[in-house]
This record gives sequence, C-alpha cells and structure tokens, in this order.
Amino acid sequence: GENVEQHPSTLSVQEGDSAVIKCTYSDSASNYFPWYKQELGKRPQLIIDIRSNVGEKKDQRIAVTLNKTAKHFSLHITETQPEDSAVYFCAASRGTNFGNEKLTFGTGTRLTIIP
Amino acid sequence: GAVVSQHPSWVICKSGTSVKIECRSLDFQATTMFWYRQFPKQSLMLMATSNEGSKATYEQGVEKDKFLINHASLTLSTLTVTSAHPEDSSFYICSAGGISYNEQFFGPGTRLTVL
Repeated sequence: GENVEQHPSTLSVQEGDSAVIKCTYSDSASNYFPWYKQELGKRPQLIIDIRSNVGEKKDQRIAVTLNKTAKHFSLHITETQPEDSAVYFCAASRGTNFGNEKLTFGTGTRLTIIP
Repeated sequence: GAVVSQHPSWVICKSGTSVKIECRSLDFQATTMFWYRQFPKQSLMLMATSNEGSKATYEQGVEKDKFLINHASLTLSTLTVTSAHPEDSSFYICSAGGISYNEQFFGPGTRLTVL
C-alpha cells in the first residue's frame, strides 16, 4: 500500500518568514495530494490540494509543488502569521473521484510561528 | 463545502462497555464514509471504509469484530467500539465523500476516554 513520509516533524519560523514542509510518497499510481491544517482538538481542514497533472498550485500565501518523477510534494507558506501555527498533514490518494478514495496521511508537522 | 457532523463530541465510558459514534452528512449524500483514529500527537490512521448498504472494508490490523461499522443510509454511518478498553481511548474522526464533490469532508471528531 501507499506510504507517505513527512518532514520535518516540528518547524519554528519567525513571523513573516516562509515555511516549507516536504512529503514523499511510494505509490506511483497516487494522483491526488491534499494538505490539511489541524488545530488542537479540531477536524483537519483542507487548505490546498494538487492533482498529478499539475506541477504547482498557489492560493494567496500558500503554494504546493509536485514532482511526480521523484514522488515528492511540498507545501510552501509565505509571510507566515501567528494564526498559521498548527499541525499540517500531507496526504496521498489515487483514483478518479477523490471524495470516495481513501487517503494515506503523512506523520504531520507541528508548525510554530514565533511573533 | 459540505457539512459533516459527529455525535457525541466526547464520551467517557467504563472499561468493558460499548460506545456508538454517529457520523452524518448534513447536506449531501455520502456514498463513502471513512473512519479514522488519531492518538495524541500522531497522524490520522484510517480504520475502515464504508459504502452505503455494503460491508465495511477494514484496514490491516483493525479488528472488525471490535470496531463495528454500519453505513445504513447515504447520510449516516456509525462506529461502535465494543468492549472498550483504556487503550481504545483516542480521537475518532469520520470523513465523507459524495459523487457531487471531489474531496472528503471531515467531521469534528469524537474524543473517547475509557476508564
């Protein structure tokens, strides 16, 4: 089955700086890669996703890049703010209707923004 | 996005008792629902996938006789933890997907504490 590795496990950055979180996956058939933000005791929230036919996607301060050949994808957060502090999870899935396909999650990154 | 609810949000029970957790899609028909377990400071681990009207598919290592899943309608799936023990204490999260959406929507989670 799919295996998703995520690094680093913890990350502290000064407010205003950028943060980068990296994930690698093992199943070459995976074609959907969402990123989730989870605050303590809350549900995961989808913040951005990318499909395998795209190399990069951006939404305001958040961007995701995908390298299918190397089987890795990264989350980039620019101009970080205190409210970005949370745990971030990458995930991978395969199929056509991603709402009905199981997700394999990475191990998570605890991001702390230092004011 | 679509809304998924869970009930209860938290439950405390005695060892040996059974606990039922409900997951509902409030404004869409969920053809597939997923159940995850999340221990403190760990990632989401998929327990099982359920499709309306059919038996759930359990992930390797998850005891199907201990974690009973029923997906009786397109808006409701239940997870029953039978003969709960302290090691079953965890955060249980469901997610749901429908044919009208291309992503999964997560419930708010249920915190189970077994004394």
